Amino acid sequence: SYVLTQPPSVSVAPGKTARITCGGNNIGSKSVHWYQQKPGQAPVLVIYYDSDRPSGIPERFSGSNSGNTATLTISRVEAGDEADYYCQVWDSSSGVFGGGTKLTVL
Amino acid sequence: EVQLVQSGAEVKKPGESLKISCKGSGYSFTSYWIGWVRQMPGKGLEWMGIIYPGDSDTRYSPSFQGQVTISADKSISTAYLQWSSLKASDTAMYYCARQNKLRYFDLWGRGTLVTVSS
Repeated sequence: SYVLTQPPSVSVAPGKTARITCGGNNIGSKSVHWYQQKPGQAPVLVIYYDSDRPSGIPERFSGSNSGNTATLTISRVEAGDEADYYCQVWDSSSGVFGGGTKLTVL
Repeated sequence: EVQLVQSGAEVKKPGESLKISCKGSGYSFTSYWIGWVRQMPGKGLEWMGIIYPGDSDTRYSPSFQGQVTISADKSISTAYLQWSSLKASDTAMYYCARQNKLRYFDLWGRGTLVTVSS
C-alpha cells in the first residue's frame, strides 16, 4: 500500500516560515490534501488539491506538490498555528494519511 | 447548519459488540461519501473506510477490511461503524467525515471515544 512520510516535528519562530513535507512515490501525480489538528479537536482541512485553500483559511497557508514531495508552507507563523498537520492522498480505492507532523512555535 | 453529529463516548469490555453513529444534517446526505478515521491515543490519523449512502457502496482500507463494518441508513441520514468483537487495541477516538467528490474530507464530526477495557 501507498506510504506517505512526514517529519515527526518541525519548529519555527513566530513570524518565520514553516515548511512541512510529505514524501511519497511519485506523489506529484496525485492530489494532496492537508489537515490541521489542534489538541482535543477534530481535524480541519487547510489545503486541498495540492494548493487550494478552503474559505476561512488564511492566505498564509499554501501548498505545492511535485516529484516525490508535497509541501505545506505556513508564512508569518503565529502561535495559534501550533498543531499537528497531516497530509492525505487517494490511492487504489482508499485514502492514506501521512504520519503527521507536530508544528511547534518557539 | 451543515454538520456531522456523532454518538457519545462508549466504554466496553473485550469481546463485546458495538455500533457507533454519525448523523449528517444541513446538506444532501446521499450525495457525499462518509468516511471513518481512527486516532489511537497519542497517535496519528488512520483512514478506515468510506460509504456512499446513496447506494451503500463501501470501500475499506486494507488495514481495516474484515475488522469493522461500515453501513448507512439514508432514511435517517446516518452512517455507522461497527465491531462484532472488540479488542483492547480498538481503544481510540473515531471520527466520521464527509468526503468531497475530489476525495478529501471537508467536514468532520467531533469524534466518538471508544474505550475497551476489562
